[in-house]
Amino acid sequence: QSALTQPRSVSGSPGQSVTISCTGTSSDVGGYKYVSWYQQHPGKAPKLMIYDVSKRPSGVPDRFSGSKSGNTASLTISGLQAEDEADYYCCSYAGTYTLVFGGGTKLTVL
Amino acid sequence: QVQLVQSGSELKKPGASVKVSCKASGYTFTSYAMNWVRQAPGQGLEWMGWINTNTRNPTYAQGFTGRFVFSLDTSVATAYLEITSLKAEDTAVYYCARSNTWNHDYWGQGTLVTVSS
Repeated sequence: QSALTQPRSVSGSPGQSVTISCTGTSSDVGGYKYVSWYQQHPGKAPKLMIYDVSKRPSGVPDRFSGSKSGNTASLTISGLQAEDEADYYCCSYAGTYTLVFGGGTKLTVL
Repeated sequence: QVQLVQSGSELKKPGASVKVSCKASGYTFTSYAMNWVRQAPGQGLEWMGWINTNTRNPTYAQGFTGRFVFSLDTSVATAYLEITSLKAEDTAVYYCARSNTWNHDYWGQGTLVTVSS
């Protein structure tokens, strides 16, 4: 299956909000409520930030939120902080016990 | 606490094989599936597939069939990724990641596999 589509980069100033989109099809994002988001700092392993579209694991700040409409999922980060600068990846269940990642989005905090 | 500790970096020649290990601790190994994710240099994450730690049944993503093998040693709570007939394009960081339904809640630190003559 093809990778989910994410913008290559987004940016925002400290304190602002940014939204990262993740577009798939009715066979993945649109068909299931299993979208997750991962944050990856350079040279580090990814970290789960959102799962099941909008749920936050324990320890993830509530500045991070997720949603979905049709075939597009979104990650919104409010009150941007310098440490939020990282790469973000979405991931969706794609049926028949398979998953697919997005291409990744580089978030720059100006 | 949950930990996934992977084996160290590998430098291999084209055509050789490599086996990456992922040792789990802090939870019941057979209660969660194990996934493998590849990240080529400067590239994004690519889901390679997963292995059911109860049935040992592996599922491979498109593009990861044939030369890639997932296996387990449940006696030592360890998952393995073996890649045979290595090619230059297999150069990447390989991550193991625990599955909690359809998300990856814990990740190993990654293992860099470099394929070069």
